Amino acid sequence: NAGVMQNPRHLVRRRGQEARLRCSPMKGHSHVYWYRQLPEEGLKFMVYLQKENIIDESGMPKERFSAEFPKEGPSILRIQQVVRGDSAAYFCASSPTSGGVLNEQFFGPGTRLTVL
Amino acid sequence: QKEVEQNSGPLSVPEGAIASLNCTYSDRGSQSFFWYRQYSGKSPELIMFIYSNGDKEDGRFTAQLNKASQYVSLLIRDSQPSDSATYLCAVINTGGFKTIFGAGTRLFVKA
Repeated sequence: NAGVMQNPRHLVRRRGQEARLRCSPMKGHSHVYWYRQLPEEGLKFMVYLQKENIIDESGMPKERFSAEFPKEGPSILRIQQVVRGDSAAYFCASSPTSGGVLNEQFFGPGTRLTVL
Repeated sequence: QKEVEQNSGPLSVPEGAIASLNCTYSDRGSQSFFWYRQYSGKSPELIMFIYSNGDKEDGRFTAQLNKASQYVSLLIRDSQPSDSATYLCAVINTGGFKTIFGAGTRLFVKA
């Protein structure tokens, strides 16, 4: 059973370009979470999605950032017009349950975004 | 006040000692509590979860939860150099959807 997959593992963009980060959840998981981690800092929640629905996007900046989880295919985190401050590790996690007491999340390897 | 607070450390303990990691949270309605371990440059991996007051033991790890004090801790017995990592405390908020992570405590186990 493959784990959570993310690609690319490393992404370099120049200021003003677009970054697309992909996440394929574990088999059987229909809940996806995106987190951002700056160096030496903890994980910051960005967005929680189920198939074709955004459940909670309270941690995602209102501008330039968007996320989707289509019926078919991976979840996509899209950052438009990237700035240097967007440089970070972006982790995706998936879970088989929708909140509740047990909401064990399994993390992917992350995408390290560098904005030049 | 941060939603989930941890001492950033570093916490340094000798090999074989007990390492004690602490975490406090602000949302009294929080439901579930998790400890993740993260090695440098790697993704977090789940060590333990706990949702009832008291202690929960799994091998060398014991999680302790006190909801009245809004406090959760992780004890690592017989610490090994391979336990050296950042330990992240995570709390599911009242709504049950959002997981809030602390900034993590760096642990060094000296051989």
